[in-house]
Amino acid sequence: AQKITQTQPGMFVQEKEAVTLDCTYDTSDPSYGLFWYKQPSSGEMIFLIYQGSYDQQNATEGRYSLNFQKARKSANLVISASQLGDSAMYFCAMREGVSHTDKLIFGTGTRLQVFP
Amino acid sequence: DAGVIQSPRHEVTEMGQEVTLRCKPISGHDYLFWYRQTMMRGLELLIYFNNNVPIDDSGMPEDRFSAKMPNASFSTLKIQPSEPRDSAVYFCASRPRGRLETQYFGPGTRLLVL
Repeated sequence: AQKITQTQPGMFVQEKEAVTLDCTYDTSDPSYGLFWYKQPSSGEMIFLIYQGSYDQQNATEGRYSLNFQKARKSANLVISASQLGDSAMYFCAMREGVSHTDKLIFGTGTRLQVFP
Repeated sequence: DAGVIQSPRHEVTEMGQEVTLRCKPISGHDYLFWYRQTMMRGLELLIYFNNNVPIDDSGMPEDRFSAKMPNASFSTLKIQPSEPRDSAVYFCASRPRGRLETQYFGPGTRLLVL
């Protein structure tokens, strides 16, 4: 079974609008971490946001927020006020068993295109 | 502060040749990771180190791959002999002790094996 599932291969959004990128995960470990990374066309991996499984509040970083729904095992990324520079691949990732491993498992990614 | 440094940025080699990829983690970071990104398999962890010691190498594809970290500021990933299916982007990442919430990635090395 896929550990991390990103069901949207591609998304389009108009500049200044908000967009939600979906991510669901599968783990039986009560302790885990969820990450979002951005990969622009230049290829580098840019860390965006992190949510720990025990965090009470949804994580936010500037225009990025993580809609964490633990019971549904979803960790969707919300980008508010989209900018042209947000056009990139976005990867969701999970680390299981926070205390005993550092291994990140990545989803297949969603390509976001922001248009004027 | 300088980020994770990888070299070379691009490498083109012929099948059967030895390839060495290099990584300098961010100063003070105790953890170092090697990832590979391909269209077919996506991003996958190959190996990671803590304080220069390999902790999990279960993602290393086969014996042709080896990784070392002789000191806190340098790591290598070696492929010998290389094969066309090794063509990928190889990322190095690091993080400091106690900071579980992120890994900082280098720019990657794009490897093409002909």
